[in-house]
Order: sequence, then structure tokens, then C-alpha cells
Amino acid sequence: EADIYQTPRYLVIGTGKKITLECSQTMGHDKMYWYQQDPGMELHLIHYSYGVNSTEKGDLSSESTVSRIRTEHFPLTLESARPSHTSQYLCASSESDGGAVGYTFGSGTRLTVV
Amino acid sequence: AQSVTQLDSQVPVFEEAPVELRCNYSSSVSVYLFWYVQYPNQGLQLLLKYLSGSTLVKGINGFEAEFNKSQTSFHLRKPSVHISDTAEYFCAVTNNNAGNMLTFGGGTRLMVKP
Repeated sequence: EADIYQTPRYLVIGTGKKITLECSQTMGHDKMYWYQQDPGMELHLIHYSYGVNSTEKGDLSSESTVSRIRTEHFPLTLESARPSHTSQYLCASSESDGGAVGYTFGSGTRLTVV
Repeated sequence: AQSVTQLDSQVPVFEEAPVELRCNYSSSVSVYLFWYVQYPNQGLQLLLKYLSGSTLVKGINGFEAEFNKSQTSFHLRKPSVHISDTAEYFCAVTNNNAGNMLTFGGGTRLMVKP
């Protein structure tokens, strides 16, 4: 049973539109992450947060932005969607203490920009 | 710095046959290792993890993995696969110096054929 929720699951949108992908978790985790996953499977970290008002860019450059105003909420925004943004976006969270816990993932949002 | 290499991008196997998915890691410090599974149109689900102690780790769905420090490997095995095991499998590594940040391998697509 997922404790981290992503909406929408699927989104088809026209070029130039502004979109926000929602991610919420009920576990009280401090750390949250956004990954972009290409059809070839590889996961690319695009944003992460270690707590409220903390956001960092990941390894893969992205035109998206994130915010972390509340612990449980970590939305991702694209100001002007383009076909190159078509991908699956995965949100994850983890506890703060040490490295021995791993991540909990949401079910993902599959974005198609036409 | 840490890194993970999954040596096979795709592994085809017949139903009820054994399977091994290979994972090698690189790290200068002690590691924590994870295997995740991703079913179609889903997020990642934790299969098993190695933190310390016994090098043979048992996970869900009959999977197990063995930590081999000298070979820096953490291969995933199942003695008899089912059609339902068809999915993407990701190996990941972290350590106490990495702030709980997981580094993922590129993934292995397991294709179980009848």
C-alpha cells in the first residue's frame, strides 16, 4: 500500500502549457526526490529536498522547478511544457537517519506533451 | 564517489528456469545495497536490501541476493521464475557518507517467456 501519492497518473498536454505534478507522502519523511525516467529505463535524479524550504538540483539538468513548503508535499512544475519533456516522472521519499533505509516510491506520472 | 553497473540491459528466460541479474558497485567506504522491482506503469518497489551481517539476503517473491565484498557484487537470483516476474529490476547503492542518497544502476529488463 503506497504511502506516497502522485497525481495525475497520466497527463497529455499541449506544448506551452504550464503543468504541476503533485507528490505527497504521509510518512513524515524529511527527504524527497524527483526522478525522470526515459523509455530506456534509466532513472535520472532531477530534484531533491532535505526538508522544508530546502531544494536542490539533481544530476540531470531540468527545466522544471520544485518547492517544499510543507514536509508532506513536493510538487514539480513545468512553466512551459515541450515535447522533449515527455517522460515518466517518479517521486520518492526517505527518512533522514543514515543510509540504511532506502526510498519509498510513488506510482509515477506519465507525461506526454503534444 | 559511488557507482553501480548492471551488466545486462535485458535478460530473457523461460518460465520455471533460474535467473541471475548481475550488479557490481564501486565505493570507497562500506555500502548499503538494494534491489528494486518496477512493474509496467508503476513506481519502484523494494525487493530486498543488504545493510550488514549475513551476506545472503532474502527478499519478497522468492528473490535473494548475495553480497560479495571482494568482487564488489550484489547479484540477484531466483531459482524458478514466473511470468509475473517480468519487470524492470534496479540495483542501488548508498553509504553513510552519501546522506542517504541512492545511486541507481541502469536497470535490467527481465523477460520471462512461457
